[in-house]
Amino acid sequence: DADVTQTPRNRITKTGKRIMLECSQTKGHDRMYWYRQDPGLGLRLIYYSFDVKDINKGEISDGYSVSRQAQAKFSLSLESAIPNQTALYFCATSDTSYRETQYFGPGTRLLVL
Amino acid sequence: GQQLNQSPQSMFIQEGEDVSMNCTSSSIFNTWLWYKQDPGEGPVLLIALYKAGELTSNGRLTAQFGITRKDSFLNISASIPSDVGIYFCAGQPNSGGSNYKLTFGKGTLLTVNP
Repeated sequence: DADVTQTPRNRITKTGKRIMLECSQTKGHDRMYWYRQDPGLGLRLIYYSFDVKDINKGEISDGYSVSRQAQAKFSLSLESAIPNQTALYFCATSDTSYRETQYFGPGTRLLVL
Repeated sequence: GQQLNQSPQSMFIQEGEDVSMNCTSSSIFNTWLWYKQDPGEGPVLLIALYKAGELTSNGRLTAQFGITRKDSFLNISASIPSDVGIYFCAGQPNSGGSNYKLTFGKGTLLTVNP
């Protein structure tokens, strides 16, 4: 079984809709991250969480929100989806701070029409 | 913010050839990581480097943490068709309180011709 899972793997939605992407991990890591990937722009950090009560904005948090429901679960919401949020979204986890090594989920491909 | 220059952007090689790609930074990094991403999938960690000068292998892959702590390279020997994909470097800057943050290169697209 995969250590980091994401659901759904693919999603098509319409402009203005609220959607949620979910991430679960069995690695026992404290830290979780959400990234988006766009062609030519690489991976950009949206939000990150160091533990259940800790939420931090990344580079591009506008239009997104997150919830850390448990150590193993971190969800990303698009409050009102817009077409330029069409991208690949990845969840990642890591355990310690100094030797930062992140492990990624398989990704969610989102298309906003 | 931090910038990582990854080169080359793309490579087209024949099966059996060796491959080399590298990442450079203008500032010091504590950690260098190399990932591979297949189409439609998430990046998979290949090699992690934690000390300046460290040389680590994973099968046909070898990566090194540069002595200056500002660069890293990845070599793939005797390439095979399943090596096709995008290879990313990532580094953890030596910047105190922001020690969570990884900086990613833009990737090297590798194509292997059978």
